[in-house]
Amino acid sequence: GIQVEQSPPDLILQEGANSTLRCNFSDSVNNLQWFHQNPWGQLINLFYIPSGTKQNGRLSATTVATERYSLLYISSSQTTDSGVYFCAVEWRGTYKYIFGTGTRLKVLA
Amino acid sequence: GAGVSQTPSNKVTEKGKYVELRCDPISGHTALYWYRQSLGQGPEFLIYFQGTGAADDSGLPNDRFFAVRPEGSVSTLKIQRTERGDSAVYLCASSPWGGSGNTIYFGEGSWLTVV
Repeated sequence: GIQVEQSPPDLILQEGANSTLRCNFSDSVNNLQWFHQNPWGQLINLFYIPSGTKQNGRLSATTVATERYSLLYISSSQTTDSGVYFCAVEWRGTYKYIFGTGTRLKVLA
Repeated sequence: GAGVSQTPSNKVTEKGKYVELRCDPISGHTALYWYRQSLGQGPEFLIYFQGTGAADDSGLPNDRFFAVRPEGSVSTLKIQRTERGDSAVYLCASSPWGGSGNTIYFGEGSWLTVV
């Protein structure tokens, strides 16, 4: 099956710092989403980004499907950004999303 | 409803008991998914419904797990003869239509603990 790996696995930032999270996948995908899982376990959609670049406030994402990776940028991080970030890929039109290993982010005040 | 609703939010059951978890998707969404998330792991796919039918149940771990969606809206995940290893968060998601190119939206999950 497809492998979806994220790096780094853990990240600690001081408030105000910037960071880049990476998602690599081992096969062609039709779609890709980024999620933030907050400390209460809720998965929140950040981006639907099968290719190209999108921005939403302090967050932006880029997917280069031909090279099988996606990046999530967080600028001017805040304590509320803490949690786990997952990328999830839809593999070859299977209609199901396969989740990556996650990046656990902690932002310190 | 405004979002995907799951009940119960928490369930503690004894080993060997039967459990039902319910999911009410976003109104009008035809596709529905069940995932399971163990502590420290990412969500793992269990089953996908398109309308009333299970289009892909390849993620169900064994025959103790079963899910239905009889009217194409609410779905129930059923677990028979629960085992301690079934303890996890069970997440439901829905999307507007089946097929590629969908954004999926998750509920808050049902936390199952088997003691």
